[in-house]
Amino acid sequence: SAVISQKPSRDICQRGTSLTIQCQVDSQVTMMFWYRQQPGQSLTLIATANQGSEATYESGFVIDKFPISRPNLTFSTLTVSNMSPEDSSIYLCSVVRRLNTEAFFGQGTRLTVV
Amino acid sequence: AQRVTQPEKLLSVFKGAPVELKCNYSYSGSPELFWYVQYSRQRLQLLLRHISRESIKGFTADLNKGETSFHLKKPFAQEEDSAMYYCALKGGGNKLTFGTGTQLKVEL
Repeated sequence: SAVISQKPSRDICQRGTSLTIQCQVDSQVTMMFWYRQQPGQSLTLIATANQGSEATYESGFVIDKFPISRPNLTFSTLTVSNMSPEDSSIYLCSVVRRLNTEAFFGQGTRLTVV
Repeated sequence: AQRVTQPEKLLSVFKGAPVELKCNYSYSGSPELFWYVQYSRQRLQLLLRHISRESIKGFTADLNKGETSFHLKKPFAQEEDSAMYYCALKGGGNKLTFGTGTQLKVEL
């Protein structure tokens, strides 16, 4: 298994501000992903965090809005920039230790934008 | 494009009754399907994957390529099975596409 620590667990933010979410894994992993779960909806992949290079974003998500860093094999951050109430969601970090093995999830960050 | 459909948002059964959570998928390649579960106040975790062909906590799921389905079944529901269940499909790059989830409620 993988022990994933995601911070903060929840936050309430003012619109127009930015929030950075951290994901720390207890050991090196091959892949790290960021998902969003809007109220009443399913998990949607935002991007794949690539170590030492720019993240790979899914359709509908852009780097200016969701900048992602992954400086090493155990840590990644997701920033939600210039927030609006529509960004209120649960954001989840997911890791895959080796290719084609199980994906593990963090406990999520519940973000409310007011 | 790949898609996962879970038609039921909520499924309520009595303890001891059979359970079937439906999942259908759309994918042009060879699919790899999973069921994830989220118990109250816990993180999302893998329940089972189709390539393992195993039973976990009494649950089984068979991939039916003809019907493009991967329904989750258990012959006798238990109270501790109450949770949110997500069907997921893995495409290229180890990325997962999730269904909208089914809340299973097992009543006494």
